[in-house]
Amino acid sequence: AQSVAQPEDQVNVAEGNPLTVKCTYSVSGNPYLFWYVQYPNRGLQFLLKYITGDNLVKGSYGFEAEFNKSQTSFHLKKPSALVSDSALYFCAVRDRGDTGRRALTFGSGTRLQVQP
Amino acid sequence: DARVTQTPRHKVTEMGQEVTMRCQPILGHNTVFWYRQTMMQGLELLAYFRNRAPLDDSGMPKDRFSAEMPDATLATLKIQPSEPRDSAVYFCASGLVLSPKSYEQYFGPGTRLTVT
Repeated sequence: AQSVAQPEDQVNVAEGNPLTVKCTYSVSGNPYLFWYVQYPNRGLQFLLKYITGDNLVKGSYGFEAEFNKSQTSFHLKKPSALVSDSALYFCAVRDRGDTGRRALTFGSGTRLQVQP
Repeated sequence: DARVTQTPRHKVTEMGQEVTMRCQPILGHNTVFWYRQTMMQGLELLAYFRNRAPLDDSGMPKDRFSAEMPDATLATLKIQPSEPRDSAVYFCASGLVLSPKSYEQYFGPGTRLTVT
């Protein structure tokens, strides 16, 4: 089975401050990990993914995420938040050992609110 | 700029009516996903196709929902009969899965369904 948890329903941060959106996962093998963002009245947009290699993954709009195998985490980060980053963020996981029939499993989402 | 398109964008219907939602995946993509998003349940996977064959529809209520891909350029999701609890935003997503590494999904803008 594969699952992902986003422990915070909402994260508030002031513009210019660093932000972190937390994600932990559970898979039977090794994971493929993803972050997506959803702006109001829009579909989800791909931000970044971890497949293999460097634990620090860089993605769109200045976001990055750090894969931590021992803590089974994949937290999303940005050094300096913008008001335009305010949106709903989803973490997703897929078990690398899966034979291929299973799709991504998404977390419940975290609403990021960046205050001016 | 290739995009997933969905029609209609909004649908209001009465309980008991049939609803058909359509999705045009990005040309060349070989996987199609249907998701439902509600405030209470978050993002739920309803069905998943690869090369037009259904791989997983375990998330879909079989008694009233059906999903098909008549051809590579069209995916449909039908609800018959519709119920108020089906009110949600329905997203279609497509992707090109050439290997277990390539699991990015591209989401359409969604169909907002209201059943009264």
